[in-house]
Amino acid sequence: AQSVAQPEDQVNVAEGNPLTVKCTYSVSGNPYLFWYVQYPNRGLQFLLKYITGDNLVKGSYGFEAEFNKSQTSFHLKKPSALVSDSALYFCAVIAEGGSYIPTFGRGTSLIVHP
Amino acid sequence: ETGVTQTPRHLVMGMTNKKSLKCEQHLGHNAMYWYKQSAKKPLELMFVYNFKEQTENNSVPSRFSPECPNSSHLFLHLHTLQPEDSALYLCASSQAAYTQGRETQYFGPGTRLLVL
Repeated sequence: AQSVAQPEDQVNVAEGNPLTVKCTYSVSGNPYLFWYVQYPNRGLQFLLKYITGDNLVKGSYGFEAEFNKSQTSFHLKKPSALVSDSALYFCAVIAEGGSYIPTFGRGTSLIVHP
Repeated sequence: ETGVTQTPRHLVMGMTNKKSLKCEQHLGHNAMYWYKQSAKKPLELMFVYNFKEQTENNSVPSRFSPECPNSSHLFLHLHTLQPEDSALYLCASSQAAYTQGRETQYFGPGTRLLVL
């Protein structure tokens, strides 16, 4: 079985400050981890993924995420938030050797204040 | 744009109506997916088609009926829906399903469905 948890429904941050959106996962075996972003009235857009290799993954729009196996986490980060980053963020996990169909979290709403 | 289109973008229907949602992908992918998105709930996988064959039906009620006539088109036929079926229905595609999990899914903008 595979699951992912996004413990925060909403994250508020001031423009220019660093942001973190949290994600923890549970899988049997090695995980493949993804972050997607959803802007209003749009579908989900791929941001970044971790498959193997370097634990720090860099993605689109200046976002990055760090894979932490001991803490089973894959938190999304950005050094300096923009108002335009305000959106809904989804974490997803796939278990290696499983069905290879992703399981998504319930999403975290990021609000960046000017 | 991601190359996945969905029509209509908004749909209001009564519980006795029959309607269909359409998805088209222009990416040359072989796998297509239907998801249901409800507020504050995880994205729910409904159906998976891989090379036009339905490979997943995630315990979806029979009032939802998918159809995949070719790798580029996916439909979701709706009949006698319930108010709790109101949600955003997302279509997605990927190069193929059941591969090494390395592939990205590409999503359409969704159809916002309201059942009265």
